[in-house]
Amino acid sequence: KAGVTQTPRYLIKTRGQQVTLSCSPISGHRSVSWYQQTPGQGLQFLFEYFSETQRNKGNFPGRFSGRQFSNSRSEMNVSTLELGDSALYLCASSLAGMAGETQYFGPGTRLLVL
Amino acid sequence: AQKITQTQPGMFVQEKEAVTLDCTYDTSDPSYGLFWYKQPSSGEMIFLIYQGSYDQQNATEGRYSLNFQKARKSANLVISASQLGDSAMYFCAMRILQGGSEKLVFGKGTKLTVNP
Repeated sequence: KAGVTQTPRYLIKTRGQQVTLSCSPISGHRSVSWYQQTPGQGLQFLFEYFSETQRNKGNFPGRFSGRQFSNSRSEMNVSTLELGDSALYLCASSLAGMAGETQYFGPGTRLLVL
Repeated sequence: AQKITQTQPGMFVQEKEAVTLDCTYDTSDPSYGLFWYKQPSSGEMIFLIYQGSYDQQNATEGRYSLNFQKARKSANLVISASQLGDSAMYFCAMRILQGGSEKLVFGKGTKLTVNP
């Protein structure tokens, strides 16, 4: 079974631009979560989608948004990029995001904002 | 506040020896889950082992075992017979229920270096 895939793997943008990252979960998994990893803040939860609905959200500004499609693939968008948005963005999938399930992570997208 | 603490920023171990990576957690929920993930320099988070709060026995997965001490709120990872490929960042994470679904709260991680 294929794992979680994320595209692109690397991205360079400039301040003020916007960016869209994509995540394809493991086949059969309907919950997709997004995390931001930076050296200073560590791993922080962004949001979680299940059945095309955002079910859970972390403490990030409204510039960070996401969506999920009917095939469970998910995208996250960051508008008006800031230097501090440079990070590794990880997506994780699980069957339904419920108790006892393991979240399996993709390889991440490394975003550099100049 | 629900929180994970990893007090060892870095650890060194000789190849073939065992190593313990520390993790303590703070939660008032009676039901929770604890995970360990490995992150090599490539960036991917690799699931290693899971322990549920109601599990009676310590979890084991091959060379990985979890030393779960509920009263002390600790969930240390033990890696036996270390290999060079074990060199990586290791993250302890706690599953918490929020907004009707679950999210993971991570510790700051421990960088493990296995020396030949």
